[in-house]
Amino acid sequence: KNQVEQSPQSLIILEGKNCTLQCNYTVSPFSNLRWYKQDTGRGPVSLTIMTFSENTKSNGRYTATLDADTKQSSLHITASQLSDSASYICVVSGFDGYNKLIFGAGTRLAVHP
Amino acid sequence: DTAVSQTPKYLVTQMGNDKSIKCEQNLGHDTMYWYKQDSKKFLKIMFSYNNKELIINETVPNRFSPKSPDKAHLNLHINSLELGDSAVYFCASSPFPEQFFGPGTRLTVL
Repeated sequence: KNQVEQSPQSLIILEGKNCTLQCNYTVSPFSNLRWYKQDTGRGPVSLTIMTFSENTKSNGRYTATLDADTKQSSLHITASQLSDSASYICVVSGFDGYNKLIFGAGTRLAVHP
Repeated sequence: DTAVSQTPKYLVTQMGNDKSIKCEQNLGHDTMYWYKQDSKKFLKIMFSYNNKELIINETVPNRFSPKSPDKAHLNLHINSLELGDSAVYFCASSPFPEQFFGPGTRLTVL
């Protein structure tokens, strides 16, 4: 069964600190993995997209890693800011007759001053 | 210059009513989607259209009927609304693999 599991479910950190969010998936065949940021009351916004051959990709203070062998990905946030408070959703794309997206439940991050 | 727009942003209605949510994208993309995000924040794909043609139809009650008058618009009509339909509905458009989401429509069924 195609699944995407994220941990932790929620996280509270202090402004300026770093954090790492995890994503494990069982989607097969695998096409690509994305991380989205979803602010409260808004639609998700793409942070990174990685294909099978990519191990790491950065977008400013966000760095995503991918281990396609162990089917794990992480999103590392450096020097967190209050505006980083949001849900971070891991999405894995597979192919099931068509390109199919499987969404994780997200990690709710709260950055406190 | 909003890329993907949805109307209305909020929709409160009684059980049994019929309602529509509209989506428009000005990005020139061929593919559009409807997603449902429930109270547990899971996003689930409902439908996908490519150039006005239905290509994804997940297990969704047939009370939900998408309509794509042209490739820039994908509307969602819901008949006989039920309490369980309360959720946030997101429209998205893409050149695969990227996806651009609209702001969402929060539907509350009383």
